[in-house]
Order: sequence, then structure tokens, then C-alpha cells
Amino acid sequence: QSVLTQPPSASGTPGQRVTISCSGSSSNIGSNTVNWYQQFPGTAPKLLIYSNNQRPSGVPDRFSASKSGTSASLAISGLQSEDEADYYCAAWDDSLNGSGVFGTGTKVTVL
Amino acid sequence: EVQLVESGGGLVQPGGSLRLSCEASGFSFSRHEMHWVRQSTGKGLEWVSAIGISGDTYYSGSVKGRFTISREDAKNSFYLQMNSLRVDDTAIYFCARDVAPGGLSTRMDVWGKGTTVTVSS
Repeated sequence: QSVLTQPPSASGTPGQRVTISCSGSSSNIGSNTVNWYQQFPGTAPKLLIYSNNQRPSGVPDRFSASKSGTSASLAISGLQSEDEADYYCAAWDDSLNGSGVFGTGTKVTVL
Repeated sequence: EVQLVESGGGLVQPGGSLRLSCEASGFSFSRHEMHWVRQSTGKGLEWVSAIGISGDTYYSGSVKGRFTISREDAKNSFYLQMNSLRVDDTAIYFCARDVAPGGLSTRMDVWGKGTTVTVSS
């Protein structure tokens, strides 16, 4: 089962910039777009970024993302206390019959 | 209001079966691919299965051969039949709507609140 690799944790003080990496392979990130999710404890995930770098309506522009080759990254600039949450990348994987795959998740802590 | 509501979770013994349902409202259900995603306590998200608008089905390696996804557009619903359940299938199961144009992706913009499945003797 393919998995996208993320660092388990990231942290910063209010106002700082935090970045989260997401490493995959040619069959997932290398071939398909990357989406990012934000999840608070006890709640369902929320789509944060889609199609590598697009923000849904209502998502603050301090959230940005990019993709290069088989890796992607999410950046939070001007970190705020309410950004403390878990973040997951996701992509479709073309191997075998095709499947979805999520990253391992990164807990962002605002110090 | 666009909404997804899961049901059917519960406690089941190892080797048993459960059928999860997800009822959609507020949008044209038949036009969307749909997903099941699960999360064990304290763990990350795990993609489980998806179904296309034409009924094409996709599964993770961990559930293939044991779980079956299906949809019933007339009832704005889709399902996950889970057989041969194992302890490690214990999780919250979320249903989600795929919104990417042109086929399945992992762009899920609407999620249910989840239903809890516990596999234990």
C-alpha cells in the first residue's frame, strides 16, 4: 500500500512561516495532482488546497502549496493559533487498478 | 444544504460483517464519484474505497477482497459492505464527495461526520 511521507510534526511561533513536505512517487504525486487537508481533533477533514496549489473559497491566503516532481509542500505563513491542527496531503495513485493515498500526517503546533 | 450522513457503524466480532451507508443531500449525487476514508484512534487518514459515477470501483490493498462499495443513485446513497472484519479495521469511517472534474481524484470537498466501527471479541 503506497503512502505519502510527511514529517510527523512542525511548529512555529505566531507570525512565523511553517512548511510541510509530502514525498511520494512517480505513480502518485508524479502523475496526479496533490490535495491538502486540515483536520482538528474530533472533526472531519477539511479540503485546504486542491490541484497542487488552489485554495477553495474561504481558505485564507496564508495557506499556499506547490508541487515538483514526486514531492509537494504546504506552507503556512503568518502562523496563527487557530492553525494548530493535523495536515495531510493526498493524491491518486495509478499503480495496479488505481487507488487513493494519504500522507502520514503532520501535527502543526503553534508555540 | 450540501450534506453527507453516515450510518451503520457498531460493534462486531472479528470475522463478522457490517454494512455502512452514506446518504447525500443538497447536490446531484449521481454526478459525483464518492469515497470512503477511515481513521483509527490517534492515527492518520487512510483511503479505503471509491466508486465512480458509472459504478467502477476501487479499493485499498488492505480491504480488497473483503469490502465492497456500491451506490444507489435513486436513493442518493452509497454503501460499504464489510466482510471478514479484522481488529485492525476498527476506525471511524468517513464518506466524502469527490469534486474533481474528469474522474476520480482525492479532491474531497464534502465529508460526513463519520460512523464508528469497532471490531472486537
